[in-house]
Amino acid sequence: KAGVTQTPRYLIKTRGQQVTLSCSPISGHRSVSWYQQTPGQGLQFLFEYFSETQRNKGNFPGRFSGRQFSNSRSEMNVSTLELGDSALYLCASSLSLVSYNEQFFGPGTRLTVL
Amino acid sequence: AQKITQTQPGMFVQEKEAVTLDCTYDTSDPSYGLFWYKQPSSGEMIFLIYQGSYDQQNATEGRYSLNFQKARKSANLVISASQLGDSAMYFCATFGNEKLTFGTGTRLTIIP
Repeated sequence: KAGVTQTPRYLIKTRGQQVTLSCSPISGHRSVSWYQQTPGQGLQFLFEYFSETQRNKGNFPGRFSGRQFSNSRSEMNVSTLELGDSALYLCASSLSLVSYNEQFFGPGTRLTVL
Repeated sequence: AQKITQTQPGMFVQEKEAVTLDCTYDTSDPSYGLFWYKQPSSGEMIFLIYQGSYDQQNATEGRYSLNFQKARKSANLVISASQLGDSAMYFCATFGNEKLTFGTGTRLTIIP
């Protein structure tokens, strides 16, 4: 069974631009969560989607948004990029909302904002 | 709210020795899960082991075991017979409110 995939793996953008990151969960998994990892703030929860609905959102500005498609693939978008958005963005998939023992991550997208 | 505390920023361990990575947690959920992940320099978060709060026995996965002490809110990871490939960041996390809350991590370096 294929794991969680994320595209692109690396991205370089300039301030003010916008970016879209993609995550394909493990086949059969319906929940996708996004996390931001920075050296200063560590790993922080962005949002979680289940059956195309955002179920939970972390403490991030409205510039960060996401969506989930009917095939469970998810995208996150960051508009008006700032230098502080440079980070590793990780997505995790699980079978359902109550899959406590299943939280599998993709390889991440490393975003650099210049 | 959930909180994870990892008090060891870095550890150096001789190859083939056992190592214990500390993790304490705080959660108001009556039912919760505890995870350990390994993150090599490539960035991918690799799932290592899971412990449910109601599991009677400590979880084990190959060379990894979780020393779960519920009364002390402790979930330490034990790696037996460490290998050079174990050098990485290790994160403890708890699942609650439909999200994972991570600790700050421990950087483990295995010395040949």
